[in-house]
Amino acid sequence: DVKVTQSSRYLVKRTGEKVFLECVQDMDHENMFWYRQDPGLGLRLIYFSYDVKMKEKGDIPEGYSVSREKKERFSLILESASTNQTSMYLCASNSRGGWGQPQHFGDGTRLSIL
Amino acid sequence: GIQVEQSPPDLILQEGANSTLRCNFSDSVNNLQWFHQNPWGQLINLFYIPSGTKQNGRLSATTVATERYSLLYISSSQTTDSGVYFCAVEGANFGNEKLTFGTGTRLTIIP
Repeated sequence: DVKVTQSSRYLVKRTGEKVFLECVQDMDHENMFWYRQDPGLGLRLIYFSYDVKMKEKGDIPEGYSVSREKKERFSLILESASTNQTSMYLCASNSRGGWGQPQHFGDGTRLSIL
Repeated sequence: GIQVEQSPPDLILQEGANSTLRCNFSDSVNNLQWFHQNPWGQLINLFYIPSGTKQNGRLSATTVATERYSLLYISSSQTTDSGVYFCAVEGANFGNEKLTFGTGTRLTIIP
């Protein structure tokens, strides 16, 4: 079974802090994704990466950056956390294919910015 | 980008009832997945179904790609089926591999 592991289940930080959310997958997947989920808005894509050191902006990249130094690890960085970044963050991965491949999700991180 | 609409937004049923959840999408797709999000926030893959029909126990799904919709059927509902069901698609004509999610159907099963 594919395993996508997010470093924290719950996290509380203060406004202005630099926040790191970590995600690791164990299936040698090329693609990795970061989403945030807010009530009434579903899941929205922040950033994705299709290879080591490669990244693409998703639908809502403002206020975030990402890092992918190793194939199995994809980090989401909040450079200066703000209260409107309080949300549920979900990481996913899949293998690259000519036709779509199913995405597999981690358990999520509930982040609160005070 | 591709648009995804799910209906109904909310559904409340008695235990043992059957339900049908619908997902409409606006363009051709390479990938369509159904997820169940449990009360703890975990997204569980139910089906990967860009076309055709699949069944897994009390759950089944059908995607009619030519008509741009997918249906998720839940039979003999149990309280553990409660949660939010998401449909997500990867558009075939947008040059990347990202999923676009619908806003979900919140299902509540009453004992």
